[in-house]
Amino acid sequence: SQKIEQNSEALNIQEGKTATLTCNYTNYSPAYLQWYRQDPGRGPVFLLLIRENEKEKRKERLKVTFDTTLKQSLFHITASQPADSATYLCALANTNAGKSTFGDGTTLTVKP
Amino acid sequence: NAGVTQTPKFRILKIGQSMTLQCTQDMNHNYMYWYRQDPGMGLKLIYYSVGAGITDKGEVPNGYNVSRSTTEDFPLRLELAAPSQTSVYFCASSYPRGRGGSDTQYFGPGTRLTVL
Repeated sequence: SQKIEQNSEALNIQEGKTATLTCNYTNYSPAYLQWYRQDPGRGPVFLLLIRENEKEKRKERLKVTFDTTLKQSLFHITASQPADSATYLCALANTNAGKSTFGDGTTLTVKP
Repeated sequence: NAGVTQTPKFRILKIGQSMTLQCTQDMNHNYMYWYRQDPGMGLKLIYYSVGAGITDKGEVPNGYNVSRSTTEDFPLRLELAAPSQTSVYFCASSYPRGRGGSDTQYFGPGTRLTVL
């Protein structure tokens, strides 16, 4: 069956460092992968989308890589700030009506 | 634009009661989705719709029903509520890339449901 795994433990880092979150998948051939941010008590908010034929995407301090051979995506936040503290979800979708399968998320805490 | 709105924000139901969770989007998106999120977990797809009059089951559809009579609205119906349906419910919408959109899903603020 399809499976998505994100960092199993919460991630704690110091302000200014780079946070790296992982998303691994099995039994899936995604057309694209998305990363969302979720704050407590709120709905997820879209951050970045990367397609199967793309290796890397950047947006300000965010960078996403997508390796379809390793079946893995890495999500980087450079020069992290306490305001980056949140849960980050990865989601994979095939071409079937855009349905997405979400991972369980990784909770990131950036300490000042 | 208000984006995706959901009502109510909170609700407590007794076992066996029924209710409808409302979802409306004003972005003219074709696709709409219902997810549930249990504590510490990711989102599980309940039902989705690719347009008015068309709905399909997701990963966890049992105990729920949906309808899509308009582009804007996608209500989720719970019949005979059970404690296992205690969760936070999120509605989302998107516009597919194949039709000029971006595939990005826009989420509502959620409905926190407790079944006692």
